[in-house]
Amino acid sequence: AQTVTQSQPEMSVQEAETVTLSCTYDTSENNYYLFWYKQPPSRQMILVIRQEAYKQQNATENRFSVNFQKAAKSFSLKISDSQLGDTAMYFCAFRKNSGGYQKVTFGIGTKLQVIP
Amino acid sequence: SQTIHQWPATLVQPVGSPLSLECTVEGTSNPNLYWYRQAAGRGLQLLFYSVGIGQISSEVPQNLSASRPQDRQFILSSKKLLLSDSGFYLCARGGATNEKLFFGSGTQLSVL
Repeated sequence: AQTVTQSQPEMSVQEAETVTLSCTYDTSENNYYLFWYKQPPSRQMILVIRQEAYKQQNATENRFSVNFQKAAKSFSLKISDSQLGDTAMYFCAFRKNSGGYQKVTFGIGTKLQVIP
Repeated sequence: SQTIHQWPATLVQPVGSPLSLECTVEGTSNPNLYWYRQAAGRGLQLLFYSVGIGQISSEVPQNLSASRPQDRQFILSSKKLLLSDSGFYLCARGGATNEKLFFGSGTQLSVL
């Protein structure tokens, strides 16, 4: 079974600064997806960024980027130029990449507070 | 657009009462549908998933059940609520290739 670990329950960052959220996972699979989801105070979960394990290049979405270290099973999220709207819970998630239904496993989340 | 409707937004129920939470999906056919529960400090726990009408799989033994009477309707139920059923319930569907999840706005259930 896959596990996803987020070891930082809470973090804070000054507005306009950069912050990195950590995530590690455990799997015997070679082909999978990794995700970061954001849950703002409204509690609406939205996808922030996605990484396919077979791609060596780190995914980037505007101010959000990841550092994917496959051998180390690490998948950190970097938020640059932090904005007040980035205040949210951030969940790291894992999904096998194979046919049919595949379960998505989530970490317990990191609460990020952006300070003005 | 592909929208997930989930209601009610909040619900307060006494212990032992029944529960019915409804989720409907627009804009897509035969989606994979999911019910997650979010408890403080525990992330998202998958409760049920469905790959088609009448097809329900349970991830964890519990006091809840799910049904999918129509392609775009997914219902979470209980005959008798327990205190431990309190939590934030999220309905989700798989994306076009099913690797991404799209979530509804959730229901905060408080069992008193």
